[in-house]
Amino acid sequence: ETGVTQTPRHLVMGMTNKKSLKCEQHLGHNAMYWYKQSAKKPLELMFVYSLEERVENNSVPSRFSPECPNSSHLFLHLHTLQPEDSALYLCASSQEGSRERETQYFGPGTRLLVL
Amino acid sequence: AQKITQTQPGMFVQEKEAVTLDCTYDTSDPSYGLFWYKQPSSGEMIFLIYQGSYDQQNATEGRYSLNFQKARKSANLVISASQLGDSAMYFCAMRGGNTGGFKTIFGAGTRLFVKA
Repeated sequence: ETGVTQTPRHLVMGMTNKKSLKCEQHLGHNAMYWYKQSAKKPLELMFVYSLEERVENNSVPSRFSPECPNSSHLFLHLHTLQPEDSALYLCASSQEGSRERETQYFGPGTRLLVL
Repeated sequence: AQKITQTQPGMFVQEKEAVTLDCTYDTSDPSYGLFWYKQPSSGEMIFLIYQGSYDQQNATEGRYSLNFQKARKSANLVISASQLGDSAMYFCAMRGGNTGGFKTIFGAGTRLFVKA
């Protein structure tokens, strides 16, 4: 059990739908991340929140909108997605400290299929 | 620029034998951290082991050990006494102390198959 939970675990949506992915960490960390993992591609960092403030936005299309209401919760709001957005979306958290030593702990992921 | 390279797309190992998964990296940071993660088919990325660039000894965690060769910029993962449950994707990752901001760079991964 990693201490990072994600819901839903699986999601199928049409291109005109609006949905949200939820991540919750129970580790007392102060940084949270969204990653996208597509088939045959390296893990892609999408967003980083540190102390509830967005510190990194990795050129992600505006159809993905993150929200971090507090240090334990992270959302990814989805709207008008494209089929190529189908992927595994992973949430992670870490405790900020010595940067090179920060270990990220991941949730189980949400498998998203856009039809 | 920071880069992680895993050259083995897939590996087979007999149950109870040891296996080495290769990882090479490139960075200009004098201080950096190296990580290995395991991803079973369920999708969850499980943290396995960490090695700091200034750590004097190679990291070990149970059956996992990291063969860190700083001059060669390699950080190979060694799994001893392989078990069927070790079948998964394995990712090497790096985080720089100065450059790269909040980014942890991941390799493309190696899929390990453990045979009974």
